[in-house]
Amino acid sequence: AQSVTQLDSQVPVFEEAPVELRCNYSSSVSVYLFWYVQYPNQGLQLLLKYLSGSTLVKGINGFEAEFNKSQTSFHLRKPSVHISDTAEYFCAVRGETSGSRLTFGEGTQLTVNP
Amino acid sequence: GAVVSQHPSRVICKSGTSVKIECRSLDFQATTMFWYRQFPKQSLMLMATSNEGSKATYEQGVEKDKFLINHASLTLSTLTVTSAHPEDSSFYICSARSRVGQSGGIHFGNGTRLTVT
Repeated sequence: AQSVTQLDSQVPVFEEAPVELRCNYSSSVSVYLFWYVQYPNQGLQLLLKYLSGSTLVKGINGFEAEFNKSQTSFHLRKPSVHISDTAEYFCAVRGETSGSRLTFGEGTQLTVNP
Repeated sequence: GAVVSQHPSRVICKSGTSVKIECRSLDFQATTMFWYRQFPKQSLMLMATSNEGSKATYEQGVEKDKFLINHASLTLSTLTVTSAHPEDSSFYICSARSRVGQSGGIHFGNGTRLTVT
């Protein structure tokens, strides 16, 4: 089984500032890692994912994340945020084996202020 | 890219009635579909996993007689909330796993806001 901890429930930042949303996971098996964004009253949109290979993963909208196996972390970063980045962000993990389910963190509300 | 269509996006129904939510994979075959429930300001809670042509697997604590799931084809799964009550009001989201790219091929619908009055 896997678990995901998003360390910050809310992150307020000013426009054009850098941001980091933290995510730690635990698992007894190798995992795939994901970040999703959810806008109000909408489903989830995949930002990026780590499956294998380079530990630095680049996604859409200028976001990137770095997989750190020793620290079991997958923090999401953006060097300069926009007002339109205001949304809920979910970190998720699933085991590599076929049939494994996605386990979500509790979410982080990113609010970008002018 | 792979698209999952969920319908309706919003529904209001009276207590005691049933509501059906559809989840369709538009451009791929989905052998597995997942149904989630999301309360305000909370994460997604997996309700059940459905595989085409077989019975859904429900998570602990989810009433299978209340939340009927049917996955009749490789592109359609439905969730029926039977005899709905106000406490069933929530945001329901489906997702589908495509055959190709099993390692990351999970796509989400846009959710359904259910309000039971």
